[in-house]
Amino acid sequence: KAGVTQTPRYLIKTRGQQVTLSCSPISGHRSVSWYQQTPGQGLQFLFEYFSETQRNKGNFPGRFSGRQFSNSRSEMNVSTLELGDSALYLCASSSVTGQRGETQYFGPGTRLLVL
Amino acid sequence: AQSVTQLGSHVSVSEGALVLLRCNYSSSVPPYLFWYVQYPNQGLQLLLKYTTGATLVKGINGFEAEFKKSETSFHLTKPSAHMSDAAEYFCAVSDGTGGFKTIFGAGTRLFVKA
Repeated sequence: KAGVTQTPRYLIKTRGQQVTLSCSPISGHRSVSWYQQTPGQGLQFLFEYFSETQRNKGNFPGRFSGRQFSNSRSEMNVSTLELGDSALYLCASSSVTGQRGETQYFGPGTRLLVL
Repeated sequence: AQSVTQLGSHVSVSEGALVLLRCNYSSSVPPYLFWYVQYPNQGLQLLLKYTTGATLVKGINGFEAEFKKSETSFHLTKPSAHMSDAAEYFCAVSDGTGGFKTIFGAGTRLFVKA
C-alpha cells in the first residue's frame, strides 16, 4: 500500500496570508490527525478527523481549521499566518476502525515557512 | 491531564554500546504508550507501542521497551547501537479516550559514535 502523502512538501508564505495543506491517508484508513512540529514547542496535536467528523481538537486558535472529505483525504487551513506558524506539519492516518491504541502512520510532512 | 517527560534532550553512545532512552508519563487512566523515531526531513515511524498485556514490548530494529506502572516509565532500550540508529526519538502517550489525541515528549536526539 502507498503510504501517507502530503502536499506540498515545502511552502513559503507571507504574514497575513492563508494556506491550505493536503493529506491523503493510506487506502482504507478513515482517521486522519494533524500535528505541528516546531523546535520550541515540539510536537503538538492539532486535530483529528474520523469519517468526516472532527473527533478531537488540540489547543490551537481558531485560525487553524481542518476538514475531511468522503474519500478520507484531509485538508488543514491556517488563516492570517503569523511568523510563529512556521513549522513542520505532520499528518497521520490510522485504520478503518480508529480503535484506541491503533497504530498511526505518519506522512513526511509539509514544511511551512512564514516570512 | 496527560504528560510525557523524556530525560535528556541529547544522548551519545558508542557503536555497539547499550542504548537507553528514558521516558516517564503521567496519565489518569491506563495509558497507551508509543515510541517513534524521526530521521532528518522525514515523518515519524512507529518503533513500538504498549496497549495492554505483556509489559515488555519488542519493536522494530532491535528496540524494546518495558512498561512499569509503578514507576510510570516506558524506557526504550537497544542492546547494541548501530550508526543507523542516529535519529530523534519521541515517546508519546494517549489515554485512548475519544480518538487519537496523542501527547508527545520533547524528544531525545541520539548520537552514535564510531
